[in-house]
Amino acid sequence: KAGVTQTPRYLIKTRGQQVTLSCSPISGHRSVSWYQQTPGQGLQFLFEYFSETQRNKGNFPGRFSGRQFSNSRSEMNVSTLELGDSALYLCASSWDSGAGTDTQYFGPGTRLTVL
Amino acid sequence: GDSVTQMEGPVTLSEEAFLTINCTYTATGYPSLFWYVQYPGEGLQLLLKATKADDKGSNKGFEATYRKETTSFHLEKGSVQVSDSAVYFCALSPRGAQKLVFGQGTRLTINP
Repeated sequence: KAGVTQTPRYLIKTRGQQVTLSCSPISGHRSVSWYQQTPGQGLQFLFEYFSETQRNKGNFPGRFSGRQFSNSRSEMNVSTLELGDSALYLCASSWDSGAGTDTQYFGPGTRLTVL
Repeated sequence: GDSVTQMEGPVTLSEEAFLTINCTYTATGYPSLFWYVQYPGEGLQLLLKATKADDKGSNKGFEATYRKETTSFHLEKGSVQVSDSAVYFCALSPRGAQKLVFGQGTRLTINP
């Protein structure tokens, strides 16, 4: 079974631009979550989507948004990029039994650099 | 709010040494607990998990026991190898929510 895939793997943008990252979950997985990883703040939860609806949200500004499609694929968008948005963005998928006990499987990440 | 605290790194050990990485958590209710590992340039891989008190997760020689009374989930391995060099993250998932709260990570280096 194919793992979680993320595209692109690397991105370089300038301040003020916007960016869209894509994630394809493991086949059959219905929940997709996004995380930001930086050296200073570590791993932080951005949001989680299930059945095309945002179900959980972390503490990030509204410039960070996402969506999920009917095939469970997900995208996240960051508008008006700031230097501090430079990070590794990780996508994770899970089956979701509703109990919060399911393992989340991570993709390789998209490395975003903002200049 | 929910939080996870890991022992500060980096940790450097010799091959075949005993490993312990401490992890404690704060959470309401009964979260699930996880250890993930991240190798250079890669995403996170699940190492082991436990979903209720006194459960022991194990994988590849690593073990961790869910201790509700001490709110801990310490990672142990009896004999480490050079290939175990990586960053290890302890995490919790609140009951009923598909989100992970991570500790700050512990960088482990094993010298031959």
